[in-house]
Formats: sequence, C-alpha cells, structure tokens
Amino acid sequence: GNSVTQMEGPVTLSEEAFLTINCTYTATGYPSLFWYVQYPGEGLQLLLKATKADDKGSNKGFEATYRKETTSFHLEKGSVQVSDSAVYFCALTAGGTSYGKLTFGQGTILTVHP
Amino acid sequence: GAVVSQHPSWVICKSGTSVKIECRSLDFQATTMFWYRQFPKQSLMLMATSNEGSKATYEQGVEKDKFLINHASLTLSTLTVTSAHPEDSSFYICSAWGGAVETQYFGPGTRLLVL
Repeated sequence: GNSVTQMEGPVTLSEEAFLTINCTYTATGYPSLFWYVQYPGEGLQLLLKATKADDKGSNKGFEATYRKETTSFHLEKGSVQVSDSAVYFCALTAGGTSYGKLTFGQGTILTVHP
Repeated sequence: GAVVSQHPSWVICKSGTSVKIECRSLDFQATTMFWYRQFPKQSLMLMATSNEGSKATYEQGVEKDKFLINHASLTLSTLTVTSAHPEDSSFYICSAWGGAVETQYFGPGTRLLVL
C-alpha cells in the first residue's frame, strides 16, 4: 500500500536558520505529493504540491522537489521565521489526481525561536 | 477563496448521546468530501470519503453505524457520532475537494470531548 515517512521531530531552530524536513514515500503508480501545514488550533492548509517527477512546488519561501529516483519530497526553507512554527505534514495521493484520498506522514513539529 | 467551515468548533457531551458535526464548502461546490480523525500529536487518519448523493465509503476499521455520514448537497456534509463514548473523544477534520486550484481544502476541525 501507500505510505509516507517523515523525519521525526520536534525540530527546533533559531530565526533565519535553514530548514529541511525529510519526506520519503512508497506508492503504486504515479502519486501527487503535497506539504500541508497546521498552525496551532487550526486545520490543515495546503503549503505546496507537485504532481510529477522533477516538479518543484514552492510557496511562502518553502520549496520541495519531487524526486522519483529517491522517492523523496523534502521540504526546505532558506530562512525560517517565528511565524513558521507549526506542524508540517507530507502527503500523497495515488494515481496523479489531486482529489483522491490523501495518505499522510506522521507530521513534524517545527518550533522557531527568536 | 476555497474556504471550508466546520460547526461546531468544539463540543462536550455526555456518554451515550449523539453529536452532529457539519462541514460546509463556502464558496465552491464539492462533490467529494473527506472526514478525518486526529489524535493528539499524531497524524490524520482518514475515516471516510463522502460523495454527494451517494453512500459514504468507509476506511477499514471504521464503524459506519457509529459514524454516520450524510452528503446531501454539494456544499454540506455531516458526520454524526452516535452513542458517543469517551474513546470517541478526538479532533475531527473534514476536507472538500474542488476550488479554483483543484485540491483538498480543510476545515478548521471540531474538538469532541465525551464525558
């Protein structure tokens, strides 16, 4: 079946530090890949997505590249801010469609200190 | 755009009572909605897929008679937790597929506490 594995957190960084959150996946077919963010007390928000190999999703300074050869979709940001503190979820939907069922990773808690 | 609301945002109820949670897509039509359950510090677990005008499809291990889902219109899906027990206490999140950028849009979640 499909699965998503994220690096375990929590991740604690100082403001302006570089962020990487690793995500690898197992899926049949050609999945679409997503990063969602959940701020405290809120629902999930789509951060970025990529629908095919070598696509790069980007938003709000965050980037992730769909690497089929390594089955990875690592999230990066060059300079984090305190407001980036949240839980980040890597997810996939199989078959390349963006409306299918999502399989989530376990989530990574990010805390950014001033 | 592409806003999804949930009501109520939190609810406390006595064991044995039923609780209904509404999920609405406010500015787009959603033929498909999803219901998730999230335990503290854990990921989201998909409970069921709700399609407008048809029966919901439940994930393995989810009791369909306990978690009743109705998707009566293109903007509203409801989840009813019947005869709730303390182990049903959780954070329930819905999502709707659609919008200008077709993807899943999530509601803010409903926190249920069963005493």
